Amino acid sequence: DSGVTQTPKHLITATGQRVTLRCSPRSGDLSVYWYQQSLDQGLQFLIQYYNGEERAKGNILERFSAQQFPDLHSELNLSSLELGDSALYFCASSPSPGSSYNEQFFGPGTRLTVL
Amino acid sequence: AQSVSQHNHHVILSEAASLELGCNYSYGGTVNLFWYVQYPGQHLQLLLKYFSGDPLVKGIKGFEAEFIKSKFSFNLRKPSVQWSDTAEYFCAFRTYNTDKLIFGTGTRLQVFP
Repeated sequence: DSGVTQTPKHLITATGQRVTLRCSPRSGDLSVYWYQQSLDQGLQFLIQYYNGEERAKGNILERFSAQQFPDLHSELNLSSLELGDSALYFCASSPSPGSSYNEQFFGPGTRLTVL
Repeated sequence: AQSVSQHNHHVILSEAASLELGCNYSYGGTVNLFWYVQYPGQHLQLLLKYFSGDPLVKGIKGFEAEFIKSKFSFNLRKPSVQWSDTAEYFCAFRTYNTDKLIFGTGTRLQVFP
């Protein structure tokens, strides 16, 4: 157990819908990362938050957005869902950004299926 | 573009065989390197990491990796695999000025008793 929790574990929804994935980082970690794992794209970085502020953006679609709340949990919002959004979404956390010795701890993931 | 290449997509071994999984990254500057493992149905776990110093790093469960800067490689090794090593293995790196991890496509390892 990495200490990072994600809910829900599984999510099945229809095209065009909107879903919210939730992540709680390890106790004491200030930085949260979201990654998408799909069969065709592999594991790709989506976005990073540090202490409530967006710090880095990767290959995140405009239909997707995220935020980090004052209690440091983070939510990833996916809207106008398409079949191709079906994937495993991982959250990771680390103590602070920019440190050379930073390592990321991953949650169990949320498996999203879009029908 | 920054990327990671894992040459072996699927490796099948018998227990006690030796393992070497290849990983090459494309980036000309300083990097931190990682190997993660994903057991069936579980989350990614860190096997080992290289930040600086001795290029031969030891991780958990008897795994080790060697950073060869001139070859941009960070190959994972284990002298004798076990059935419980069956999993997917991901190589990743991070450049000095970012935190995001760039992952390879993964290598699926199957170990048969």
